[in-house]
Amino acid sequence: QQQVKQSPQSLIVQKGGISIINCAYENTAFDYFPWYQQFPGKGPALLIAIRPDVSEKKEGRFTISFNKSAKQFSLHIMDSQPGDSATYFCAAVFGNEKLTFGTGTRLTIIP
Amino acid sequence: GAGVSQSPSNKVTEKGKDVELRCDPISGHTALYWYRQSLGQGLEFLIYFQGNSAPDKSGLPSDRFSAERTGGSVSTLTIQRTQQEDSAVYLCASSSTGLATYYEQYFGPGTRLTVT
Repeated sequence: QQQVKQSPQSLIVQKGGISIINCAYENTAFDYFPWYQQFPGKGPALLIAIRPDVSEKKEGRFTISFNKSAKQFSLHIMDSQPGDSATYFCAAVFGNEKLTFGTGTRLTIIP
Repeated sequence: GAGVSQSPSNKVTEKGKDVELRCDPISGHTALYWYRQSLGQGLEFLIYFQGNSAPDKSGLPSDRFSAERTGGSVSTLTIQRTQQEDSAVYLCASSSTGLATYYEQYFGPGTRLTVT
């Protein structure tokens, strides 16, 4: 049973545009929602994370929006740059337990 | 400071051979995780160590897979009698359970295993 659903599978955005990736979860016990960025040949790197007691968190050009009642959260990348081209994974975790990952979104920023 | 390190970075082995993959977590991190990343399955959890507690082995796909963590630090993932479907990138992550952090898991670069 897939507990974290992620969309879209791939996304192409023009430089300077807004990239939006969506995730939905099922387990209401999850209490921490990180996003990971992965470049080819590298391990996933923590990008930004949110707890369910806030509706939005912003770090630079990256923003997480969180809707607890809908059990959905999304990553917004403002002013997208070619260097943002990577695969993005949303995840959810309860406490210090294992991460449950979404299926990933391959983001390509075109000039 | 040093991040999570894994060795080897690449491993090619023949079907039926045993392999050992090593993970050095971030110093002081009490929790250590193994995940597997493959084209068909995405990122999937394998096993989790937390301090001196019994490990959570619920993600291990078969009894050919085992892992140990010695002295609460370095971990070794062992795959016996490797099969072609074991080909994947094996990722290790560690986290701190201190009050100052919120259980962020930091990943190593992975070991790419190819079974021929």
